[in-house]
Amino acid sequence: QKEVEQNSGPLSVPEGAIASLNCTYSDRGSQSFFWYRQYSGKSPELIMFIYSNGDKEDGRFTAQLNKASQYVSLLIRDSQPSDSATYLCAVNRDTGRRALTFGSGTRLQVQP
Amino acid sequence: DAGVIQSPRHEVTEMGQEVTLRCKPISGHDYLFWYRQTMMRGLELLIYFNNNVPIDDSGMPEDRFSAKMPNASFSTLKIQPSEPRDSAVYFCASIRQGNTEAFFGQGTRLTVV
Repeated sequence: QKEVEQNSGPLSVPEGAIASLNCTYSDRGSQSFFWYRQYSGKSPELIMFIYSNGDKEDGRFTAQLNKASQYVSLLIRDSQPSDSATYLCAVNRDTGRRALTFGSGTRLQVQP
Repeated sequence: DAGVIQSPRHEVTEMGQEVTLRCKPISGHDYLFWYRQTMMRGLELLIYFNNNVPIDDSGMPEDRFSAKMPNASFSTLKIQPSEPRDSAVYFCASIRQGNTEAFFGQGTRLTVV
C-alpha cells in the first residue's frame, strides 16, 4: 500500500462546476497535509495546507480533513480552464521532520 | 528573491557518465530537499538537509547517488555512473524554519541514453 494514494484521473469537469479531488494516507501519525498544483512541465506550487479536522477555505479552494478516515480532499469551486493541472496531495508525519511524502497526483481537466 | 535556482534545466548524457545537478536555495531557508519525479513513481524524496547537515538520505536509490551541501547557498546531487533508469525530473526545494511552504526550483530534466 502506498503511503499517499490518489486517483490518477483524468478528472474532467465543465467550467463553473465544482471539482472534488481526493486523497487517502496510510500513516495515522501524519500531522499536516498539503495540496500542491503542478502545471505540465512546471514545478509544484503550494495551494493550501491543513492540520485540523474539518474544512479550511481559501478563495475558491476548500481543503477537508478527516483524520479518523485518513482522508483529505480538495474542492475547487467555479472551476476554470486555468485550473487544469495535476494536483498533488502531500503529508508530513511530524512537525520535526519537514520532508513531505507525495501522492502520485490527480490530473484535472476543466472543459470550457 | 529569485526563488530556488537549479542548473542545468536539461541534461542529456550517455550511460556510464557522471552527472552533477546543482541547486541554490532561497536565502535564509534552513531546509533543502532533493526530489525525483517520474511518471511511474511520482515525486519521491531522495534526501534532505537541515542547516547543511544531511538528515534523511533513505530515499537515495543506491550508492551511485550522492548529495552534498557545502554551505547554506549551494547543494549538489551527483550520479556516478548514470543509468537510463535515472532519467527523470529532479527537483530541489527549500523551506524556512517555522514555515510550511516548500518552494520548488524549476527542476532539471535528466535523460540518460
